[in-house]
Amino acid sequence: AQKITQTQPGMFVQEKEAVTLDCTYDTSDQSYGLFWYKQPSSGEMIFLIYQGSYDEQNATEGRYSLNFQKARKSANLVISASQLGDSAMYFCAMRGWNQGGKLIFGQGTELSVKP
Amino acid sequence: NAGVTQTPKFQVLKTGQSMTLQCAQDMNHNSMYWYRQDPGMGLRLIYYSASEGTTDKGEVPNGYNVSRLNKREFSLRLESAAPSQTSVYFCASSEAVGSAGRHQPQHFGDGTRLSIL
Repeated sequence: AQKITQTQPGMFVQEKEAVTLDCTYDTSDQSYGLFWYKQPSSGEMIFLIYQGSYDEQNATEGRYSLNFQKARKSANLVISASQLGDSAMYFCAMRGWNQGGKLIFGQGTELSVKP
Repeated sequence: NAGVTQTPKFQVLKTGQSMTLQCAQDMNHNSMYWYRQDPGMGLRLIYYSASEGTTDKGEVPNGYNVSRLNKREFSLRLESAAPSQTSVYFCASSEAVGSAGRHQPQHFGDGTRLSIL
């Protein structure tokens, strides 16, 4: 069975500082992908970043980077230079390549950026 | 740039009523999904359709049925609504899940907020 664990229900960060949101996963699949989504208070799900299990380099997308440690089964999201608009729920998700495209989501972390 | 469109956005039902949630995507995606989101539990997969003409159960399928009407549309039906089905429902779509599509993210609609009294 696959499982995603996000152990931080809520986080605070000062504007312009960096923040790391934790994600650990469990899977028996050898090939899988890890995704992070942002859900602002308006409710939509916004895709942020992807990391494949065979990717040798950590993924980066603008101010977002993914700290992928395969041996520890962790895929932490790093947001650099936090902005007020980063305040939202953040979800880590995993898709096994042999699981029919299904995403398994973690419980989410609510990030609040302070001015 | 419609992407994934869900209707309705809000709905209140009485216990035992039936209703169909509609979802349509204009990105020519092969795969479509229905999730529910409950407080503190993230999103859980109800049903999915890997391609037109196929549907499969997800993690929480009980009490729901789905229809993949064509490549664009994937509907979710509650035959006899129960208070436990009060939730926010999301439809999503993605490229085919073969080797070319493995890195493709799922694109989500804006959700349907459903309350069952």
